[in-house]
Amino acid sequence: AQSVTQPDIHITVSEGASLELRCNYSYGATPYLFWYVQSPGQGLQLLLKYFSGDTLVQGIKGFEAEFKRSQSSFNLRKPSVHWSDAAEYFCAVGAYNFNKFYFGSGTKLNVKP
Amino acid sequence: EPEVTQTPSHQVTQMGQEVILRCVPISNHLYFYWYRQILGQKVEFLVSFYNNEISEKSEIFDDQFSVERPDGSNFTLKIRSTKLEDSAMYFCASSARRGGETQYFGPGTRLLVL
Repeated sequence: AQSVTQPDIHITVSEGASLELRCNYSYGATPYLFWYVQSPGQGLQLLLKYFSGDTLVQGIKGFEAEFKRSQSSFNLRKPSVHWSDAAEYFCAVGAYNFNKFYFGSGTKLNVKP
Repeated sequence: EPEVTQTPSHQVTQMGQEVILRCVPISNHLYFYWYRQILGQKVEFLVSFYNNEISEKSEIFDDQFSVERPDGSNFTLKIRSTKLEDSAMYFCASSARRGGETQYFGPGTRLLVL
């Protein structure tokens, strides 16, 4: 069955430090992969997506993610975190024959001044 | 930039009451979805809708739930007789195409059943 795992429930980083949020998926074929961000009281905003092609994708707000098929991973990175990045981040997987997304449990990011 | 909107943002209801959650998807999108997120848990798929009918539904989407597109712009989720365990954030989403196409989410409706 399809599933998404985000192993880190909470992460705290200092402002200006680099960030990597982990996402592993389970799916038999080539997945479509997404990262969404949810700020408090807000909806899910799309950060970036991977369908095919270059395995390093760029998103909004300076985020990027790398698809590694051999590791079934799609980790989200940012070289320098800003206080406004504090939010909850969700990884999701879809596919060409799906009508739905499967979401991970989310990772809450706290940014220290 | 077009966005999905949802009303109300918060709803409090008594157990056993009916609630209708409303969504206005992005105007040129054809596929519509409802998801829910119980506090502290994953975002879970409820139902997808296309061409005025349900395309797929999850086990959660039982006979107490229904969806409708009453006009050209609104997409609604009705819970006929709410239970305590229906308390959650409900997200509406829409996409231009099916099959893993990017889904754009609304801000959610926080439902509290007392």
